[in-house]
Amino acid sequence: GQQVMQIPQYQHVQEGEDFTTYCNSSTTLSNIQWYKQRPGGHPVFLIQLVKSGEVKKQKRLTFQFGEAKKNSSLHITATQTTDVGTYFCAGIDNYGQNFVFGPGTRLSVLP
Amino acid sequence: EAGVAQSPRYKIIEKRQSVAFWCNPISGHATLYWYQQILGQGPKLLIQFQNNGVVDDSQLPKDRFSAERLKGVDSTLKIQPAKLEDSAVYLCASSNLGEGEAYNEQFFGPGTRLTVL
Repeated sequence: GQQVMQIPQYQHVQEGEDFTTYCNSSTTLSNIQWYKQRPGGHPVFLIQLVKSGEVKKQKRLTFQFGEAKKNSSLHITATQTTDVGTYFCAGIDNYGQNFVFGPGTRLSVLP
Repeated sequence: EAGVAQSPRYKIIEKRQSVAFWCNPISGHATLYWYQQILGQGPKLLIQFQNNGVVDDSQLPKDRFSAERLKGVDSTLKIQPAKLEDSAVYLCASSNLGEGEAYNEQFFGPGTRLTVL
């Protein structure tokens, strides 16, 4: 079945540094979503990407969907302590089956 | 606008006991999801409803888990009997899919933290 991997598993950065997490799928994805989960909280939707090579920006966050629609990345510029949490990618394969979350990347930001 | 409501927030039971969780989605959202999130992992989709019909239950352990959404609004998820490995947070989410959409933004509830002793 479809597998979604994320790297790194953990990332510790100093406030002000940049951060990137990568998401890789074993199958071609129809779309990909990104969620953020604060410690003790629930996942909160950030964005959905649908088109091959799509790039979307939300303030300091930049999301990219690979040309082959099998990978994606989330880049945060100049991290802040409010960026702390786990970032999950989630997607569905082209057959419309198996909506799968990745294992997440946990971000810690040191002030 | 009220968010997704779930109850209880916490539940502690012994193995082989039964437990039920309740979810009330955002008003008007036809699609409802139940997820299991084990500590340190991403949410795992257990079942997806569209109104009162099941869209996907391929990862639901049907020998012990059951879910229903009889009137197409709120939903219950039951585990009977529980095992130690069922200890997790059970998340409910809802979304409002447009015509032809398979997935879009999901709104999650606060979850129910289940501990099986």
